[in-house]
Amino acid sequence: KAGVTQTPRYLIKTRGQQVTLSCSPISGHRSVSWYQQTPGQGLQFLFEYFSETQRNKGNFPGRFSGRQFSNSRSEMNVSTLELGDSALYLCASSWGGLSNEQFFGPGTRLTVL
Amino acid sequence: QKEVEQDPGPLSVPEGAIVSLNCTYSNSAFQYFMWYRQYSRKGPELLMYTYSSGNKEDGRFTAQVDKSSKYISLFIRDSQPSDSATYLCAMISGGSNYKLTFGKGTLLTVNP
Repeated sequence: KAGVTQTPRYLIKTRGQQVTLSCSPISGHRSVSWYQQTPGQGLQFLFEYFSETQRNKGNFPGRFSGRQFSNSRSEMNVSTLELGDSALYLCASSWGGLSNEQFFGPGTRLTVL
Repeated sequence: QKEVEQDPGPLSVPEGAIVSLNCTYSNSAFQYFMWYRQYSRKGPELLMYTYSSGNKEDGRFTAQVDKSSKYISLFIRDSQPSDSATYLCAMISGGSNYKLTFGKGTLLTVNP
């Protein structure tokens, strides 16, 4: 069974730009969640999507948004990038939601210059 | 006070040692408790999952939860160099909006 895939793996953007990251979950998984990992703040939960609906949300500003498609693939968008958005962005999938085992992808390393 | 506190280490032990990793939390609403292991340049992978106070064992790993003290631990017996990684505790609170909160992680190195 293929694991969670994320594209691109590395990305460099400048302040003010926007970025879209993609996540393909494990086949059969309907829940996709997104996380930001930085050395200072650690791993922080952004949001979770289940069957195309945002079901749970962390404490991030509205510049961070996402969506999920009917095939469970998910995208995360960050608008008006700031230097502090430089981080590893991880997505995870599970069959039922946050209380089920999360399978993480390798992450997208975003650098904002 | 942060909701979840975890000593970042780093922790360095000789091969074969017993390792103890700990997290404390302040939110009584946390219902599910997990430990993840993250190797360098990889995503985290689930090691242990529990929702009740007490001990849960899986091979060389034992997860311990004490809800009255708001304290969770992960013990690794007979530690191996392949256990060298960052270990993250994670907790989920229930209610209308599930909230998943991670500790900052403890970097463990097991020396051969």
